[in-house]
Amino acid sequence: DIQMTQSPASLSASLGETVSIECLASEGISNDLAWFQQKSGKSPQLLIYGASRLQDGVPSRFSGSGSGARYSLKISDMQPEDEADYFCQQSYKYPYTFGGGTKLELK
Amino acid sequence: QVQLKESGPGLVQPSQTLSLTCTVSGFSLISYSVHWVRQHSGKRLEWMGRMWSDGKTSYNSAFTSRLSISRDTSKSQIFLKMNSLQTEDTATYYCARSYLSVTGNVMDAWGQGASVTVSS
Repeated sequence: DIQMTQSPASLSASLGETVSIECLASEGISNDLAWFQQKSGKSPQLLIYGASRLQDGVPSRFSGSGSGARYSLKISDMQPEDEADYFCQQSYKYPYTFGGGTKLELK
Repeated sequence: QVQLKESGPGLVQPSQTLSLTCTVSGFSLISYSVHWVRQHSGKRLEWMGRMWSDGKTSYNSAFTSRLSISRDTSKSQIFLKMNSLQTEDTATYYCARSYLSVTGNVMDAWGQGASVTVSS
């Protein structure tokens, strides 16, 4: 199975700050990488797919980048509503696998 | 409006079978895949399997032969059946829609989740 190592496990950011979350796959996944946001008690919501494509309706302060086995999610201009858990997921090979998650809090 | 909704028993006894239903609306099961994903209380997400739009299935080998996914397109429903449940199967179970884009598989809509506890 492809292992997805996500870091950091948690971080806090001030209003307006820019933060980055990284995801390292155990092998190259050819940009077949998605990022999800999950707010407390809710289901995951798609933010980014194809490593860098913004899902419709997602604010442009979210962006994704990377290639090969290393990917990142950047959140610019941190807002209160961005407090959530974030997960990466690869769908390059079965079984699809997820990162362990990053808890983002507002400082 | 695209919607998926999971339903099923909240409590299952150890060694018994879990049966969950995902009822969808706003799209056709013959045009999209539907996946089952579960999330343990520690928030770890685990992909279980999928029903393709053509009716074929793919499974996570971690569930070996105890998992089955089926569908009834006339009712817009996808079914999950998993036997020999153990306490470690306690989790929230989600169904999620996906489509194939030029960049790969995209899971763009999720249900609200069904909480399942395995306990006697």
